[in-house]
Amino acid sequence: DVKVTQSSRYLVKRTGEKVFLECVQDMDHENMFWYRQDPGLGLRLIYFSYDVKMKEKGDIPEGYSVSREKKERFSLILESASTNQTSMYLCASSPKGGLRISEKTYEQYFGPGTRLTVT
Amino acid sequence: QQQVKQSPQSLIVQKGGISIINCAYENTAFDYFPWYQQFPGKGPALLIAIRPDVSEKKEGRFTISFNKSAKQFSLHIMDSQPGDSATYFCAASIRGTSYGKLTFGQGTILTVHP
Repeated sequence: DVKVTQSSRYLVKRTGEKVFLECVQDMDHENMFWYRQDPGLGLRLIYFSYDVKMKEKGDIPEGYSVSREKKERFSLILESASTNQTSMYLCASSPKGGLRISEKTYEQYFGPGTRLTVT
Repeated sequence: QQQVKQSPQSLIVQKGGISIINCAYENTAFDYFPWYQQFPGKGPALLIAIRPDVSEKKEGRFTISFNKSAKQFSLHIMDSQPGDSATYFCAASIRGTSYGKLTFGQGTILTVHP
């Protein structure tokens, strides 16, 4: 079974703090994703990575950065946390696709989420 | 810009009833449409998915109906059970990329009363 773990289930930080959210997957997946989940807005992609040290912006990258130094680990960084970053953060991974891709490529495996509160 | 619009935001159904959740998309390049199910305290998990070359896909009590011309697809849950109570997300992707990026809808909170 694919397992995606996130470092914390709940986190409370103060405005202006630097926050690190860690995600680890054990299935040797190439692709990793960070989303935030807010009521009524669904899942919105913050950043994704398709290989070690490679990253691309998603739909809402402002205020966030990421790091992927090892294949299994993808970190989300809030350089200076703000109250509008209070949210549920979800990490996901999926295997690499290509021209001959199966639908399995598009199955993203999610971690349990980190509920971050910024006060 | 929300490329996938999902409705309703919440849905209450009696046990044994049919739950219907609808999604509409704008980008005609989308060619893979999965549904994810999320239970409280858990991350979303793939439930069922469809490609646009078929109009319907059924897996047990769950059916996706797809209307390419209208750019709409829907999830039907037959004989809904209390254990189906969860948040459901539709999504869309373009299969030609290797990254498997998904664009999600806003989510529907389904409550099935016993």
